[in-house]
Amino acid sequence: DTEVTQTPKHLVMGMTNKKSLKCEQHMGHRAMYWYKQKAKKPPELMFVYSYEKLSINESVPSRFSPECPNSSLLNLHLHALQPEDSALYLCASSHRDSANYGYTFGSGTRLTVV
Amino acid sequence: TQLLEQSPQFLSIQEGENLTVYCNSSSVFSSLQWYRQEPGEGPVLLVTVVTGGEVKKLKRLTFQFGDARKDSSLHITAAQPGDTGLYLCAGGEDSNYQLIWGAGTKLIIKP
Repeated sequence: DTEVTQTPKHLVMGMTNKKSLKCEQHMGHRAMYWYKQKAKKPPELMFVYSYEKLSINESVPSRFSPECPNSSLLNLHLHALQPEDSALYLCASSHRDSANYGYTFGSGTRLTVV
Repeated sequence: TQLLEQSPQFLSIQEGENLTVYCNSSSVFSSLQWYRQEPGEGPVLLVTVVTGGEVKKLKRLTFQFGDARKDSSLHITAAQPGDTGLYLCAGGEDSNYQLIWGAGTKLIIKP
């Protein structure tokens, strides 16, 4: 299995809703990432988990809350989002504790906040 | 602050033509990666280069890492409509999870 699976593919939520994005990989990768990507822009790093511990939080607002239940799963809990949070949310994983080995990305969740 | 300048940002050419995309930096990277992304999908890793002067080929795509490991290029020969997409370069460092991303090149190949 050489994939990163993200669900849902699309999500529309109101500003008062609570929702979660899910990510799963079975490649034995020990680093997992959440990225946010706006149209025609490169991905922006949000969070990094290494060996199931949060190692980097790129000053992301608290309305985004990551969780890593085990080495294969990564969640992103969403609450009280703003319309400007609408974007493609990408999960990625990498083999070791260095990005030099390259990332495997999921297909993303297209989030629309209304 | 490390930066990767990617150029051009947009390129529209006819099928069969050749093209080159550049990524340049004043910083040294341990690796330089190239990704291709289609609309609504995540980036897909095409290649990683780690040695100064390294050249890698992937069918009609040729990737080069500069001797000083500060720049890289992607050359496509005889471009095809299936090459259309957003091409992203990203620089990596040892013992660092983060990649430094270029701004991306939107490539359109017209039949």
